[in-house]
Amino acid sequence: NAGVTQTPKFQVLKTGQSMTLQCAQDMNHEYMSWYRQDPGMGLRLIHYSVGAGITDQGEVPNGYNVSRSTTEDFPLRLLSAAPSQTSVYFCASSSRTGLAGTGEQYFGPGTRLTVT
Amino acid sequence: AQSVTQLDSQVPVFEEAPVELRCNYSSSVSVYLFWYVQYPNQGLQLLLKYLSGSTLVESINGFEAEFNKSQTSFHLRKPSVHISDTAEYFCAVSQPPYSGGGADGLTFGKGTHLIIQP
Repeated sequence: NAGVTQTPKFQVLKTGQSMTLQCAQDMNHEYMSWYRQDPGMGLRLIHYSVGAGITDQGEVPNGYNVSRSTTEDFPLRLLSAAPSQTSVYFCASSSRTGLAGTGEQYFGPGTRLTVT
Repeated sequence: AQSVTQLDSQVPVFEEAPVELRCNYSSSVSVYLFWYVQYPNQGLQLLLKYLSGSTLVESINGFEAEFNKSQTSFHLRKPSVHISDTAEYFCAVSQPPYSGGGADGLTFGKGTHLIIQP
């Protein structure tokens, strides 16, 4: 049981480049989300999904796209990278049902992205 | 909407001294409460959680937190800290899924950096 996995661990992009951050979970969780972490800002929600085919915006969605074609995968796309998107990105998942449906989230190890 | 306030961005404390990290929240509905810990260059790990029942919850490594509904607080305490407790600590709240509040996502405080001095 790998939990939540993220790739890559580190990435350097030039301004204007695009890329996809990968996230996968093997816990059959309905809910998946992307956060960015910046010094002094805590974690801010970018996008989330409550199930395959359903996504919605969080607090800071601009410049990012997501899709959820399967329960397991929730990739985050940067369409045209900007220096303001330099950050550490975390993917998380949680169950929405039964006794496990408390909102407790399981986090991946993070992707450290630098945009120059 | 819900929000979380962690009153201290940094808390320096000497090794073996007690510590309290403060967390206050606001919400119009019942919430679940969490403390997450982030060790240097790592992801977030759940430290402890309050869902219901006893208002005092404990972790396996000696931390405890008490839910105080009247003061809307969920402060984290440890009677004697160790150098290995150096980390960033995040308080977070969530609403029960399907409660109509929108995203199930956790709302985080900005974090408290616990610095243990030898």
